[in-house]
Amino acid sequence: DIQLTQSPSSLSASVGDRVTITCRASQTISIYLNWYQQKPGRAPKFLISAASSLQSGVPSTFRGSGSGTDFSLTISSLQPADFATYYCQQSYSSPYTFGQGTKLEIK
Amino acid sequence: QVQLVQSGAEVKKPGASVKVSCKASGYTFTSYYMHWIRQAPGQGLEWMGIINPSGGSTSYAQKFQGRLTMTRDTSTSTVYMELGSLSSEDTAVYYCARDFFSNNCFDFWGRGTLVTVSS
Repeated sequence: DIQLTQSPSSLSASVGDRVTITCRASQTISIYLNWYQQKPGRAPKFLISAASSLQSGVPSTFRGSGSGTDFSLTISSLQPADFATYYCQQSYSSPYTFGQGTKLEIK
Repeated sequence: QVQLVQSGAEVKKPGASVKVSCKASGYTFTSYYMHWIRQAPGQGLEWMGIINPSGGSTSYAQKFQGRLTMTRDTSTSTVYMELGSLSSEDTAVYYCARDFFSNNCFDFWGRGTLVTVSS
């Protein structure tokens, strides 16, 4: 199985800050990497597919990048609604594994 | 609009089975694969398997082979996930999630169904 390791596991930041979350795959996965946002008690929300394709309705402050084994999710200017847990997920091969999550908290 | 409506919370005893439903609306049911993903309390997301609502073919994570069954009813646009031989480790929220254009990622999610396994 492909393992995804996110860093950091948690992050404190302020509104307006720029933050970056990284996701490293245990083997090359081309650009088959996706990102989700989850708030407490809610289902995950689909943010980015294929490493960098922003989904409809997702603010342009979100940006995904990377290929191969190293990927990142950057939020350029944090808004109050952005404080949540973020997961990466690989769609390269079954089982379609997730990273362990990065909890983004308000400083 | 796309909606995935899941069945309600369940409490089961160890060794029992649970069957969770996910009723789809707002799109052509047979045109999109459906996945099941679970999340134990305070934990991350775990992919369980996928079903093709058109032909009914399935693929399961090795971890669940032998005790996981996914089925569908095209007449009601509903997919089902049945997990057997339950243990306390199966206590989790179970989500159905629509496949994004056969890319094995998940664009629409149900609200989740809490399954609690307790003696």
